[in-house]
Amino acid sequence: DQQVKQNSPSLSVQEGRISILNCDYTNSMFDYFLWYKKYPAEGPTFLISISSIKDKNEDGRFTVFLNKSAKHLSLHIVPSQPGDSAVYFCAATQGGADGLTFGKGTHLIIQP
Amino acid sequence: EADIYQTPRYLVIGTGKKITLECSQTMGHDKMYWYQQDPGMELHLIHYSYGVNSTEKGDLSSESTVSRIRTEHFPLTLESARPSHTSQYLCASSDPSVDTGELFFGEGSRLTVL
Repeated sequence: DQQVKQNSPSLSVQEGRISILNCDYTNSMFDYFLWYKKYPAEGPTFLISISSIKDKNEDGRFTVFLNKSAKHLSLHIVPSQPGDSAVYFCAATQGGADGLTFGKGTHLIIQP
Repeated sequence: EADIYQTPRYLVIGTGKKITLECSQTMGHDKMYWYQQDPGMELHLIHYSYGVNSTEKGDLSSESTVSRIRTEHFPLTLESARPSHTSQYLCASSDPSVDTGELFFGEGSRLTVL
């Protein structure tokens, strides 16, 4: 039973436009949500996180929005750049204990 | 910047061989983890450790074993590799004092069992 779901396996966006990656979760006890970026044959790297008590967190080109009532979060990348092409994983944790629960990832392709 | 290292990066071995995947971190983190990931799938937690002499099994059952004799070292061993063990293995660590649960990952070990 997946607690973190990313329903879009892939997303293609034109360079310079906005990329929006979506994530849904089922466990209402999650208190932190994180986004990771992963290139092939490399480990995931942390991008941005958000606490469950907030609805928005911004870091440069990356903004994460959290809708607790819908159990939904999204990552916005503006403007999208070629180097953003990667797999993006949504993850969640409850109290920071025992690791993170990950979604299956969305493969973002930025087209020139 | 994270300092967590995994060796080997790539390994191709025959069925029945014993293998050890090495993981070391220089950040002094007490918590360490092993995840397994197949293409198009989520990362599955297979082992974790709270510190020296602590090892726990994760959400995904695995035939591998781990040990934690030193804070900085968390090796994973497969006594007899099988083709079903073919996967990418990712080691990570975290600072327990940070509430966000952020993990620092190594570059991964890609294992192929023939």
